Amino acid sequence: DAGITQSPRHKVTETGTPVTLRCHQTENHRYMYWYRQDPGHGLRLIHYSYGVKDTDKGEVSDGYSVSRSKTEDFLLTLESATSSQTSVYFCAISGPAGVNEQFFGPGTRLTVL
Amino acid sequence: DQQVKQNSPSLSVQEGRISILNCDYTNSMFDYFLWYKKYPAEGPTFLISISSIKDKNEDGRFTVFLNKSAKHLSLHIVPSQPGDSAVYFCAANPSGTYKYIFGTGTRLKVLA
Repeated sequence: DAGITQSPRHKVTETGTPVTLRCHQTENHRYMYWYRQDPGHGLRLIHYSYGVKDTDKGEVSDGYSVSRSKTEDFLLTLESATSSQTSVYFCAISGPAGVNEQFFGPGTRLTVL
Repeated sequence: DQQVKQNSPSLSVQEGRISILNCDYTNSMFDYFLWYKKYPAEGPTFLISISSIKDKNEDGRFTVFLNKSAKHLSLHIVPSQPGDSAVYFCAANPSGTYKYIFGTGTRLKVLA
């Protein structure tokens, strides 16, 4: 299995609080992604990174920011969490050349009350 | 606007029979397609992929077919096994990008 971990695995927070989710990889892959999974919507891309300090927006980026200061870490921040951001968040990585399959982390279940 | 569509939210199949999962897309600039399987409380795992220059790719019990003119792909699982019960997502890669656009998923249940 690809070495991808996510932390925390579960989190309950209140509306208006900041939240940071962490994705850590040991594969040295260039590309990293954050998705959210919601019933009826499948997996939707929030942000992705194509290198250290290089990031771009996905389909549902409003309310989220990301940072990547090291190859192995990709952070997703909800500056002021809202109930609509209650979801399961998945991090993924993909390889260095061409279009490769993505390897997903185990997910973080976030509940915003 | 959903660019990748899986119109069947669920599918039930008897063990040993064929499972056919369908996926439609709207963007002719997609040039690589992938299928993922997802069990509850786990991340999706890669299953099989196909490039737009091909119309078929096979890997063991799994075969993916691509019909570019119809903008349609399908995943065939033969024979289906109870362990195949999961949610299946198709995904597409727009040409020249490293983004992937996923469908909404189809829940497959293989009945023993």
